[in-house]
This record gives sequence, C-alpha cells and structure tokens, in this order.
Amino acid sequence: AQSVTQLDSQVPVFEEAPVELRCNYSSSVSVYLFWYVQYPNQGLQLLLKYLSGSTLVESINGFEAEFNKSQTSFHLRKPSVHISDTAEYFCAVSVKDSSYKLIFGSGTRLLVRP
Amino acid sequence: SQTIHQWPATLVQPVGSPLSLECTVEGTSNPNLYWYRQAAGRGLQLLFYSVGIGQISSEVPQNLSASRPQDRQFILSSKKLLLSDSGFYLCAWIQSNYGYTFGSGTRLTVV
Repeated sequence: AQSVTQLDSQVPVFEEAPVELRCNYSSSVSVYLFWYVQYPNQGLQLLLKYLSGSTLVESINGFEAEFNKSQTSFHLRKPSVHISDTAEYFCAVSVKDSSYKLIFGSGTRLLVRP
Repeated sequence: SQTIHQWPATLVQPVGSPLSLECTVEGTSNPNLYWYRQAAGRGLQLLFYSVGIGQISSEVPQNLSASRPQDRQFILSSKKLLLSDSGFYLCAWIQSNYGYTFGSGTRLTVV
C-alpha cells in the first residue's frame, strides 16, 4: 500500500520569505510524484510533477520540488512567496500499475502574510 | 477537446435519502476514472476507481457505491445517506503522461 505524509498542516510565512512544504511517501513499488494546489473556493490544479529524469522539477510560478529517493521525500520550495500563493497544497503519489491511482496527503495550508 | 463534467455543483440532502452523482468525460476513450472525497479541513480520499466498463475497485469500506455503465460515465451512489457522507466529491480521469484532470466537484451537505 502507498501513503503520503505532509508533516505540516499549516505554514504561516511573511511575504517575500522563503518557504518549504514537506512531503514524505511510503510505497513498496515505484511511484510518480505530484504537487497540487487548491486556491480558496476553487478546484485542484497541478503545480508540478516528477515522472523521471532530473530529480529537480520546477513550476511556471517559481515553485520547485526535489525528488529524494533515499529519503522518500518530495519537498516543495519557493525562494520568495507572494500573498497570492496563499492556498492549500497537496502532495500525491501515483502507483505505477494499471490503476494509476493517485494517493494524496492530508494537505498543507500555506498562509502568506503581508 | 478533452473535458470532464460533474454535476450537480451543490446538493443538500436529508439523512436517509438516496444519492446519485454523475461524472462524464469527453474527448477520450477507455479512460481510468476516479471518485475522491474531500471532507472539511482534510485531504482527498480516494473512494473508487475504474479501469473499464463495469470494473469498479473500492478503496475504503463505506456507505457509497460506484458504477460505470458506459465507457465515459462514472456514477457515485448511495441508498441511504449518513451525516458523515457530507463533503466535497471530485471526479477525475488520467490523460496521457500522467495528466490527471479533476472535475469542478459537488459539495454535498447531508442534513
């Protein structure tokens, strides 16, 4: 079975400060890794994903995540956050079998303060 | 184009009443389909998934059931709703290259 642990339920940070949202996973089989974002009263949007290749992946709005196989982690980082980054962030893994089911963590609420 | 439709957007139902939520996908064939529930203040829990017509896998025991009567149609049902069934229900499908697409969701309140 697969599981995803997001260690922080809420992360408050001041605008323009750096932030790291932590994600660890557990799986007996290979997985793909994802970060999704949910802005207030909106649906889920894909932020970035790791399928293969370079372990560092980047999004178009300045977020990046690094796949660390030995530590089974996929932490999300941004060097300087904006008020508009306030949202719920979900880490997820996809199982490499015929189901391709996506298993989510419990989410981290990022609160950016002025 | 490939799109996913989910309805209704909101629903208020009394305890003990039946439920039927529908999800349809356009622009693809034989997609893997998924039902998720997001309870207030919690993450997304995978409820059911389907890899083909009539093929349903349940991830957690619960008061709900799912069916896939057609290739691009996925239905979530209940015979008698419980208060604990309240939540935000999302349908999703997987595109090529692991692009998961989510519907706009149904907010269910059981009263």
